[in-house]
Amino acid sequence: NAGVTQTPKFRILKIGQSMTLQCAQDMNHNYMYWYRQDPGMGLKLIYYSVGAGITDKGEVPNGYNVSRSTTEDFPLRLELAAPSQTSVYFCASSTGTALNSPLHFGNGTRLTVT
Amino acid sequence: DAKTTQPPSMDCAEGRAANLPCNHSTISGNEYVYWYRQIHSQGPQYIIHGLKNNETNEMASLIITEDRKSSTLILPHATLRDTAVYYCIVRVFEGNKLVFGAGTILRVKS
Repeated sequence: NAGVTQTPKFRILKIGQSMTLQCAQDMNHNYMYWYRQDPGMGLKLIYYSVGAGITDKGEVPNGYNVSRSTTEDFPLRLELAAPSQTSVYFCASSTGTALNSPLHFGNGTRLTVT
Repeated sequence: DAKTTQPPSMDCAEGRAANLPCNHSTISGNEYVYWYRQIHSQGPQYIIHGLKNNETNEMASLIITEDRKSSTLILPHATLRDTAVYYCIVRVFEGNKLVFGAGTILRVKS
């Protein structure tokens, strides 16, 4: 079972470049999330989606954009990369609708902006 | 902001029970308590969750106090592979979000 798949695993960007972090899940989950984790810190929510065509901001949305055109995919876009965006990015999904459904996480994308 | 408070670190002897405490004094009536762990910066791994009653699965037990203001995660026989950061999380109703705190670093020692 694939679960939540994130690509790429690693990426180095120069300041001002843009990129898209890909996230796909094969569990038919309605809810999907993007988190970032800075070294030695807990996870912070960037954006989330409760279903195709619906997205909303989390705690730290500045500098990022998302879209949700299908149930399976939830890409995260960085338009003008900055050193402050150096982090590990985790995508997650859940069945949603109720509070009683665990999140399933991918293995992360490690991004360095120099 | 995270709605939970955890000790920053704990040690446990291999083979003994690890008891990880968590305070969540502002939890609302319909909010679940979740526990995740993270090993070597991998993606967080789901352990267990509960609302009011104590819960047990193949990984751990969750004890929630009657007033729901605190809980304890119990790993009954800790192994070296259980060394990780353990996050206690209250699931926020709006958007079904998980808001992570700093977690507890559990070190299992032989």
